[in-house]
Amino acid sequence: GENVEQHPSTLSVQEGDSAVIKCTYSDSASNYFPWYKQELGKRPQLIIDIRSNVGEKKDQRIAVTLNKTAKHFSLHITETQPEDSAVYFCAASIGGNNDMRFGAGTRLTVKP
Amino acid sequence: DSGVTQTPKHLITATGQRVTLRCSPRSGDLSVYWYQQSLDQGLQFLIQYYNGEERAKGNILERFSAQQFPDLHSELNLSSLELGDSALYFCASSVAGGGTGETQYFGPGTRLLVL
Repeated sequence: GENVEQHPSTLSVQEGDSAVIKCTYSDSASNYFPWYKQELGKRPQLIIDIRSNVGEKKDQRIAVTLNKTAKHFSLHITETQPEDSAVYFCAASIGGNNDMRFGAGTRLTVKP
Repeated sequence: DSGVTQTPKHLITATGQRVTLRCSPRSGDLSVYWYQQSLDQGLQFLIQYYNGEERAKGNILERFSAQQFPDLHSELNLSSLELGDSALYFCASSVAGGGTGETQYFGPGTRLLVL
């Protein structure tokens, strides 16, 4: 079935460095790609999303890029801060029902 | 606060029992989604309802069922519970639920512990 692969599973960076998380998807009909941040014991919260008609989107220190041909998309966080430490999930819409498949998550640790 | 509410916040029960988790979507949202998140795991999509009807099904066990009521709140029923069902159960909602990809807003979750 359709799935979303996410790498790496853990990522540790020094404060101020950049962090990149990559995802690949298998359904060529996927057209919506959100990224969620989940702090320990809390709900996943949308931080940025991108649609298939756009190649890149930026919001302050966060950016997402999409390569539809290669079926992969990436999250870029610049000038990381300790409060960026969390688990990040990518997701891709499946089919026409807004059914969403999530990646397995990346645990990001930003060391002060 | 996403506007999605879930009750109860915590639930402790025994193997073999049945529980019901409740979710109220954001005002105006017609779709509700249920997810299971086991310890240190990702989000497993269980099922989606749109305006009272089942729209999509994921890896939902036969022991689990859900429904969406006319007031759009949804309930997830888990029966014959096993130790492995212990997890965080999230509900999410979106405006409609079809076609173009919509943001899903998550509730705070219900933490289920089966002893």
